[in-house]
Amino acid sequence: KQEVTQIPAALSVPEGENLVLNCSFTDSAIYNLQWFRQDPGKGLTSLLLIQSSQREQTSGRLNASLDKSSGRSTLYIAASQPGDSATYLCAVRPAGYSTLTFGKGTMLLVSP
Amino acid sequence: EPEVTQTPSHQVTQMGQEVILRCVPISNHLYFYWYRQILGQKVEFLVSFYNNEISEKSEIFDDQFSVERPDGSNFTLKIRSTKLEDSAMYFCASSESREYYGYTFGSGTRLTVV
Repeated sequence: KQEVTQIPAALSVPEGENLVLNCSFTDSAIYNLQWFRQDPGKGLTSLLLIQSSQREQTSGRLNASLDKSSGRSTLYIAASQPGDSATYLCAVRPAGYSTLTFGKGTMLLVSP
Repeated sequence: EPEVTQTPSHQVTQMGQEVILRCVPISNHLYFYWYRQILGQKVEFLVSFYNNEISEKSEIFDDQFSVERPDGSNFTLKIRSTKLEDSAMYFCASSESREYYGYTFGSGTRLTVV
């Protein structure tokens, strides 16, 4: 059974710092991995989607990498801003299934 | 950008009552899903729906739950007799394909059972 773990559970940084969020998964047989942002009490906003054949994806200040063989992904946020404060969720789509398995998330607070 | 729309945003119901949560997926998407998130816990899969039938479901999705696509646009989740432990945020999502496209989630319905 696929398990997804995210470290750290919470992170507090001053504005302007570059930071890395980590995601690990137990079964490397995946179709893809997706990073989401969740604001308190709100829905899930897709940030980046990485296919199993890809190594990384970039969108603006965000860069996500995938090392499928070791079961790891990282989300890099450059020049963090207070507006980046949210919970970041990692989710994998296991091969053979259309569903997503989520991690518990990293709660990020960026202070001015 | 196309959106998944969910209604209502918040519903309060008494234990034992039936509730129907509604979703309008993105129009060209073929796969539809319900997930839920109990406060402070992980987002959990409930059910997936393709070609007018359930394609996968989790252990959570027992006989109290049902899904329906009553017309060409709506996708509903029914809980027949709500329990206190059904209180959660329920998310609808859709996807173009089974494997290679990402999910688009709606903004959720917060269900509170009292």
